[in-house]
Amino acid sequence: DAGITQSPRHKVTETGTPVTLRCHQTENHRYMYWYRQDPGHGLRLIHYSYGVKDTDKGEVSDGYSVSRSKTEDFLLTLESATSSQTSVYFCAIGGDPYNSPLHFGNGTRLTVT
Amino acid sequence: DAKTTQPNSMESNEEEPVHLPCNHSTISGTDYIHWYRQLPSQGPEYVIHGLTSNVNNRMASLAIAEDRKSSTLILHRATLRDAAVYYCIWSGSQGNLIFGKGTKLSVKP
Repeated sequence: DAGITQSPRHKVTETGTPVTLRCHQTENHRYMYWYRQDPGHGLRLIHYSYGVKDTDKGEVSDGYSVSRSKTEDFLLTLESATSSQTSVYFCAIGGDPYNSPLHFGNGTRLTVT
Repeated sequence: DAKTTQPNSMESNEEEPVHLPCNHSTISGTDYIHWYRQLPSQGPEYVIHGLTSNVNNRMASLAIAEDRKSSTLILHRATLRDAAVYYCIWSGSQGNLIFGKGTKLSVKP
């Protein structure tokens, strides 16, 4: 699907452990995004990147960090996972954010116990 | 910030047209309207987007009101595969798309 892969697809981890989710694209898009989706909240933006080493916060960035050392990879890290971070995480890629479609990955289901 | 208003749910019969409304009264003159849909257990999928004039593609049509305060996504012949949550969105100040709760479309055979 539009050359975007998320890994892992499912993960169960314990509270307090670090977790890294990976988003890989083969489309050479400049913009990459991390969203989380929870019942009753829809999709909420965590962080996004507008180029290699260029990132910015979204509306729910607390407890998350990101890195983008290559165009094709955008990593989302939970430094110390909490139960409130149990969610489905979606990565998206795209061009001009105002006038280009976003392509979403299939999601990572993360459970923090 | 980038708020849209959509009905929580709608129903349609298979092979009939569906008109999904969206209000976006605070949109600026240069913001595009985007529509995405999300099927169960999948990521959102791009449907269509436009600025002022009506837009058509293989999936749907987008009718934008002249004052741009509302728009309507038109599925010309609903199929069971069109059952999904449909999101009407415009960009936030950072250029990112801000998703609301969308409209859950049910299609009856």
